[in-house]
Amino acid sequence: EDQVTQSPEALRLQEGESSSLNCSYTVSGLRGLFWYRQDPGKGPEFLFTLYSAGEEKEKERLKATLTKKESFLHITAPKPEDSATYLCAVPSNSGYSTLTFGKGTMLLVSP
Amino acid sequence: SQTIHQWPATLVQPVGSPLSLECTVEGTSNPNLYWYRQAAGRGLQLLFYSVGIGQISSEVPQNLSASRPQDRQFILSSKKLLLSDSGFYLCAWGAVLAGGGEQFFGPGTRLTVL
Repeated sequence: EDQVTQSPEALRLQEGESSSLNCSYTVSGLRGLFWYRQDPGKGPEFLFTLYSAGEEKEKERLKATLTKKESFLHITAPKPEDSATYLCAVPSNSGYSTLTFGKGTMLLVSP
Repeated sequence: SQTIHQWPATLVQPVGSPLSLECTVEGTSNPNLYWYRQAAGRGLQLLFYSVGIGQISSEVPQNLSASRPQDRQFILSSKKLLLSDSGFYLCAWGAVLAGGGEQFFGPGTRLTVL
């Protein structure tokens, strides 16, 4: 069964305090890993797709990396507006273009 | 560019009443369409997905149903709502790719069943 586990469940940072979020997965034959940002009361917003181990993607203060077993979302010098829940997902093994999502990491950045 | 719309944004319904949530996508053709539910403090639960008009696959047996009457329209329905149907309902679309790909979400509908 496909499994996506995100840690920590919640993370509180001071503004400017860099950290990383983790997404570990157990799927056979990874066909991509996706990161999303979700603000309270809104739909998830697509951030990145990573396809192969060693790949990195960046957007402003966010950098996503991928290994054969996990992905990290590094947040450099975060600002309060980076506060959100970050979700990762992988294609399900069912082969029907569906995704399996982790439960997310709730990030709170205090000024 | 592609956009996805959902309505209504919020809904309060009594137990036993019917439900109809609508989702439309603009700027793409023949998308895969998805309905998810997100309960408080829980992850995204896939309810239904569709790879074409009239083609619906159900992931979770329940009192909800879905229909796709047009290429870019996806409807979530219920004949009689339960308290447990409360939650945040999200529609998403994805390009038709073998093995899965990015999905893009709408703004969501907050449903409260009283």
